[in-house]
Amino acid sequence: GEDVEQSLFLSVREGDSSVINCTYTDSSSTYLYWYKQEPGAGLQLLTYIFSNMDMKQDQRLTVLLNKKDKHLSLRIADTQTGDSAIYFCAEKTGFQKLVFGTGTRLLVSP
Amino acid sequence: NAGVTQTPKFRVLKTGQSMTLLCAQDMNHEYMYWYRQDPGMGLRLIHYSVGEGTTAKGEVPDGYNVSRLKKQNFLLGLESAAPSQTSVYFCASSPPLGGGTQETQYFGPGTRLLVL
Repeated sequence: GEDVEQSLFLSVREGDSSVINCTYTDSSSTYLYWYKQEPGAGLQLLTYIFSNMDMKQDQRLTVLLNKKDKHLSLRIADTQTGDSAIYFCAEKTGFQKLVFGTGTRLLVSP
Repeated sequence: NAGVTQTPKFRVLKTGQSMTLLCAQDMNHEYMYWYRQDPGMGLRLIHYSVGEGTTAKGEVPDGYNVSRLKKQNFLLGLESAAPSQTSVYFCASSPPLGGGTQETQYFGPGTRLLVL
């Protein structure tokens, strides 16, 4: 199947780190992506990682990939209230299509 | 560049009415997509197109039709709206998603549709 799974909700305090997890299914996926959706807006590409990498860091964002377990995570350091949004992971499968997860709603409280 | 734009932003329909949602992109992308987003269900692909004049069914195509007469436009039609079609609709576009590139989809801002 092509189910990409994410937990539905995460709540953190401002200044803490957030870790959003994703489990994908296609072992031949070439790229994995994280998108951010702010309230009332479309999905915006945040970052991506190539499948032969274990980690990618981009300012406050760290992406970790465990290919053996088909597990992807997004860590946001020093989380701010402006990071409150829904975060979607997506995999580019061997069939050259994107499969999206169900999204994780991140709520950052002051 | 405007990227991906959608018209209208919001619409209310009565059951049985018809309407067309317009998506336009100025990135010269070959591929275009229509998704619907419902609470707790993520994004579900309705229809997509891999080039001008071509369309294909996605995961949830029933009750919708599409047309891609021009490369930059992708239209989504509801012939007879039903309350189950109340949703937020997103259009996206992309280059061909070859496995060797990081190319991905770019999304419009969404259209909120309420069917009474």
